[in-house]
Amino acid sequence: ETGVTQSPTHLIKTRGQQVTLRCSSQSGHNTVSWYQQALGQGPQFIFQYYREEENGRGNFPPRFSGLQFPNYSSELNVNALELDDSALYLCASSPGRGQSYSNEKLFFGSGTQLSVL
Amino acid sequence: GEDVEQSLFLSVREGDSSVINCTYTDSSSTYLYWYKQEPGAGLQLLTYIFSNMDMKQDQRLTVLLNKKDKHLSLRIADTQTGDSAIYFCAERNQAGTALIFGKGTTLSVSS
Repeated sequence: ETGVTQSPTHLIKTRGQQVTLRCSSQSGHNTVSWYQQALGQGPQFIFQYYREEENGRGNFPPRFSGLQFPNYSSELNVNALELDDSALYLCASSPGRGQSYSNEKLFFGSGTQLSVL
Repeated sequence: GEDVEQSLFLSVREGDSSVINCTYTDSSSTYLYWYKQEPGAGLQLLTYIFSNMDMKQDQRLTVLLNKKDKHLSLRIADTQTGDSAIYFCAERNQAGTALIFGKGTTLSVSS
């Protein structure tokens, strides 16, 4: 049990629609990261938020956006869904900001499985 | 850029040792990680190693790091059926903001 919860667990959308995925971090964790895990692949970093501001971004287009709230909840929004967006979306929280020399442990939720038809 | 490579499958018998291998590209990585993913679940941190170490042992798990060859391995002693899962090797990116994962090694343990 990591203390990170995600909702919904499964979601089906059609191409072109918009989707919002939600995450509740561990209390006291100021950083939330989102990862996309396509079938048979490792998780890929989408972006990270630290104290409600974007703190780093992977190679994902602007139609992937996020929000982080003061109550340790956060959202991942995806606009204009494409078939290739079908994946498991993982949220992870950590206490600090994340530095290259630090050993910030990430605590992952169980993910939201998104299917785009 | 940063990249992590793993072999995709490993099959062992219960009670044997399992060795999962990984190579990474970023020589400046300070920490390297092993995560476990069971079906329908998120990622569970198994263990990690700091880059100035060669080896780390944690109960049944042994991590070996060859920094010269950028090679990391995870040895699971006395493998059990409950160890069947996908194992991911990961390094931290240069900015420190993300983990770079390999594609994962599926470990299948037969009784």
